[in-house]
Amino acid sequence: KAGVTQTPRYLIKTRGQQVTLSCSPISGHRSVSWYQQTPGQGLQFLFEYFSETQRNKGNFPGRFSGRQFSNSRSEMNVSTLELGDSALYLCASSLDGTDYNEQFFGPGTRLTVL
Amino acid sequence: AQKITQTQPGMFVQEKEAVTLDCTYDTSDPSYGLFWYKQPSSGEMIFLIYQGSYDQQNATEGRYSLNFQKARKSANLVISASQLGDSAMYFCATLGGSEKLVFGKGTKLTVNP
Repeated sequence: KAGVTQTPRYLIKTRGQQVTLSCSPISGHRSVSWYQQTPGQGLQFLFEYFSETQRNKGNFPGRFSGRQFSNSRSEMNVSTLELGDSALYLCASSLDGTDYNEQFFGPGTRLTVL
Repeated sequence: AQKITQTQPGMFVQEKEAVTLDCTYDTSDPSYGLFWYKQPSSGEMIFLIYQGSYDQQNATEGRYSLNFQKARKSANLVISASQLGDSAMYFCATLGGSEKLVFGKGTKLTVNP
């Protein structure tokens, strides 16, 4: 059974650009959550999608958005990139988002903003 | 709002010895869960162990056990018989009514041969 995959693994952008990250959950999983990890702020919850609907949202500006497709794959988009957006972005999938014992994380996308 | 505090930025342990990683939490939710994750240098978060606030016994998973002291609001992770492969970042997290994980800052564990 394939794990959670995230593409790309590494990304370099410049300030003001926008970026789209992709997450493919484990087959059969319908919930996808996104987290941002930085040395200063640690791991912070961005948002969670379930059945193509955003179910939970963290305290991030509107520049951070996401969506989920009918096959449960999810994308997150960051517009007008800032230096502080440099981070490891992790996604996690689970069957329905309520059983965190069965939440599996992907390897992450490391975004560098220059 | 929930909060997790991990006071040990780094810990060192000799191979085959046991080590305890500290975690204290703050939550107003009457029912909550506590989690420990391992993050190797590759970046992937690996789930280790879970403790529910109403669980009567401390959770154990192989070499991992959770020392849950509800009155002290602590949920320390104990790793027995440390292995070189245990070297990684370890994160404590909680889940309450908000249905989202709140993580601590993490502890970097180094296992020495």
